[in-house]
Amino acid sequence: QVQLQESGPGLVKPSQTLSLTCTVSGGSISSGSYYWSWIRQPAGKGLEWIGRIYTSGSTNYNPSLKSRVTISVDTSKNQFSLKLSSVTAADTAVYYCARDLGRGALDYWGQGTLVTVSS
Amino acid sequence: QSALTQPASVSGSPGQSITISCTGTSSDVGGYNYVSWYQQHPGKAPKLMIYDVSNRPSGVSNRFSGSKSGNTASLTISGLQAEDEADYYCSSYTSSSTVYVFGTGTKVTVL
Repeated sequence: QVQLQESGPGLVKPSQTLSLTCTVSGGSISSGSYYWSWIRQPAGKGLEWIGRIYTSGSTNYNPSLKSRVTISVDTSKNQFSLKLSSVTAADTAVYYCARDLGRGALDYWGQGTLVTVSS
Repeated sequence: QSALTQPASVSGSPGQSITISCTGTSSDVGGYNYVSWYQQHPGKAPKLMIYDVSNRPSGVSNRFSGSKSGNTASLTISGLQAEDEADYYCSSYTSSSTVYVFGTGTKVTVL
């Protein structure tokens, strides 16, 4: 059974960089033809897809965030990571990582981690 | 890329059937058979209920079914149960550089 777990600071100051890691267990991140995605959800609002990475390292990003987002993968640690720079209060949200079947089907999700942007 | 349009709320009595719509464009819902549906209970992560328009992942009840006509996809929940009360989101692959777009979300209430 694949499991995903987000980790990282719960509080980030405005203008700084938000950094989160997703640790995958129950299977190798580099096996199978999977993408690995990040999604976020502000309190009381809907889901927003942030971006994804393939096991080869190729990435796709939401154009609305592309200039500030970097997603990377560390296959040796079975992890993938999210960096979002120049954060503002609008980036306050629960951030989820998920396994992506490659066509929008996100079949395994982490529990989510709340990141608050505040000074 | 705008979010896909869903009704804000849908309600039904136990045992009834309800249908949630998800309207997009020919660049997303209408252009690909890559529509997914997610169930989200309060404080929990979303759960994949339907993918590729009408396929159910292993373990998902057959009371949940999906379909698509033109630019609108639909999720039907039959035999509504109390535990079906949750928020539901559709998503679609899109030809735009956004890659994936989610719906606005629908709150399902079991009366």
